[in-house]
Amino acid sequence: DAKTTQPNSMESNEEEPVHLPCNHSTISGTDYIHWYRQLPSQGPEYVIHGLTSNVNNRMASLAIAEDRKSSTLILHRATLRDAAVYYCILWVEGSNYKLTFGKGTLLTVNP
Amino acid sequence: EPEVTQTPSHQVTQMGQEVILRCVPISNHLYFYWYRQILGQKVEFLVSFYNNEISEKSEIFDDQFSVERPDGSNFTLKIRSTKLEDSAMYFCASRPGHGADNEQFFGPGTRLTVL
Repeated sequence: DAKTTQPNSMESNEEEPVHLPCNHSTISGTDYIHWYRQLPSQGPEYVIHGLTSNVNNRMASLAIAEDRKSSTLILHRATLRDAAVYYCILWVEGSNYKLTFGKGTLLTVNP
Repeated sequence: EPEVTQTPSHQVTQMGQEVILRCVPISNHLYFYWYRQILGQKVEFLVSFYNNEISEKSEIFDDQFSVERPDGSNFTLKIRSTKLEDSAMYFCASRPGHGADNEQFFGPGTRLTVL
């Protein structure tokens, strides 16, 4: 499985933007970049995904580097509810679509 | 909004006993999964299920584990003879269909405690 590297933890203040980085230098041309998060005591939750272009949805934005070897999840205004572990996952089409989770980034949001 | 449900929320069992964890995936979804998360560790893939058969399983999913979709709505994970190390959160997930634009929807999990 293609590997991703994320910082173990990050901290943010409420109402401020958060940029969560992910390195995936071994990404192949057809791998999609997915982000999930896991709130305390809950199951993982889909956040966003992309292939080559930057993506926006109601939860976040995903900025993908031109060479696709890294990406950044952007939360435009962090809230206390955004405190969670964020997982950057490379997803291979046709691989039964399973998700291979790493340790993720623990985001702490300070009031 | 449709959601994946799991029962029970917490299951306590004695070592060696059989347990069945139940999931109701989102209606009309085609792919079904079980994952587990031991306390403080990563979420680990166990098995994927598509077209009424196992499509992939991990090394964790040994002969003690089995899955079933007994009717059109339930998806179950059975552990035949539980071990202490099976204590974990078990998450069920489902996915609408093929293609990259389909996300996985996870249930809230069942906490399994093996004594």
